[in-house]
Amino acid sequence: GDSVTQMEGPVTLSEEAFLTINCTYTATGYPSLFWYVQYPGEGLQLLLKATKADDKGSNKGFEATYRKETTSFHLEKGSVQVSDSAVYFCALTPYGNNRLAFGKGNQVVVIP
Amino acid sequence: DTEVTQTPKHLVMGMTNKKSLKCEQHMGHRAMYWYKQKAKKPPELMFVYSYEKLSINESVPSRFSPECPNSSLLNLHLHALQPEDSALYLCASSQDLGRDYEQYFGPGTRLTVT
Repeated sequence: GDSVTQMEGPVTLSEEAFLTINCTYTATGYPSLFWYVQYPGEGLQLLLKATKADDKGSNKGFEATYRKETTSFHLEKGSVQVSDSAVYFCALTPYGNNRLAFGKGNQVVVIP
Repeated sequence: DTEVTQTPKHLVMGMTNKKSLKCEQHMGHRAMYWYKQKAKKPPELMFVYSYEKLSINESVPSRFSPECPNSSLLNLHLHALQPEDSALYLCASSQDLGRDYEQYFGPGTRLTVT
């Protein structure tokens, strides 16, 4: 079935460091890809999306590029802030419906 | 405006109580969803409504009963819940069904069953 794999474990980094969170997917056809962010005690917010190969989604300094050849959608930010501390979920909707398949999520902690 | 609102924010209920969760959106979206999220886990889909009709029920126990009174409102009626049903319940909406329509989530209702 369709699935998303995120790198294991929390990510801890210093303010102004470069952030990368890896995301790979397995899907038949051409899924749409998403990154959602969940701040403590809140619901999920859509961070960015891409709907076809080589599309780059971007928002609030975050970027991710839909790579069909490597089935990846890695999230990057050049300089993180303490306010970026949150849980980040990679997700896909498969061709034919919009039933979201989530990765396990990554807790990101940014230290001042 | 991409806001989905949910009430109440917190709910504590006993196993014999009946309560309801409410979700509202005014974006003109025609698909609405209920998810359950346990701590440190991704959300799990429970129900999907499309054009006010139940489209998907992910084999959810009958103690959870969804209702879509109109295109802007989604309710989740709770009855005879178990302690393991304690979780964050998230509502979401999208313009329509289909892979390109992103889902917008509400802030959730944190439910505790005692």
